[in-house]
Amino acid sequence: DGGITQSPKYLFRKEGQNVTLSCEQNLNHDAMYWYRQDPGQGLRLIYYSQIVNDFQKGDIAEGYSVSREKKESFPLTVTSAQKNPTAFYLCASSKQGLGNEKLFFGSGTQLSVL
Amino acid sequence: DQQVKQNSPSLSVQEGRISILNCDYTNSMFDYFLWYKKYPAEGPTFLISISSIKDKNEDGRFTVFLNKSAKHLSLHIVPSQPGDSAVYFCATGLIQGAQKLVFGQGTRLTINP
Repeated sequence: DGGITQSPKYLFRKEGQNVTLSCEQNLNHDAMYWYRQDPGQGLRLIYYSQIVNDFQKGDIAEGYSVSREKKESFPLTVTSAQKNPTAFYLCASSKQGLGNEKLFFGSGTQLSVL
Repeated sequence: DQQVKQNSPSLSVQEGRISILNCDYTNSMFDYFLWYKKYPAEGPTFLISISSIKDKNEDGRFTVFLNKSAKHLSLHIVPSQPGDSAVYFCATGLIQGAQKLVFGQGTRLTINP
């Protein structure tokens, strides 16, 4: 079964700590995305990548970093510079990253600050 | 500045009746519109889409209506079923160029038996 796998499902971060959220897809999609969901708000785009070794900032990239060394993987690091990291993080992919494509989402990671 | 607004955070509908979810957008350049459905602790799944050249698109019990002059999008579900209880997000974007959808805040739909 093809899909997107996010891990872990729940993650806790201590003050000043960097944490990395994993996202793997076996859909053979070129494009991958990271979104953040806060209560009462829509999904906001953090970073996206349309091709291996290239990625672009989304609307709220500050305090986050990504890498795209392999087509299947797009990990997101929440750095200590992100002052309000508690949120539900969603990874998504689409075939080529074009505007009229459907996004396929993972099941998300809930990040909380200790 | 919210470019896409879903003004009803929640909606409760009787099973078998019609559910109508609404969405307003501000950017008249948007030409592609989608609805996603999300269950708790899961990622959203695609439901239905419409491009700006159409004003209606149907898929089974789900119909999306687009009113470009009013910059308004709606999703009709008829008849509503208990399994439709979920959070529904509308999203808008541009067909040309990179995929950068803008999402609304979501509406929690509850279908009562």
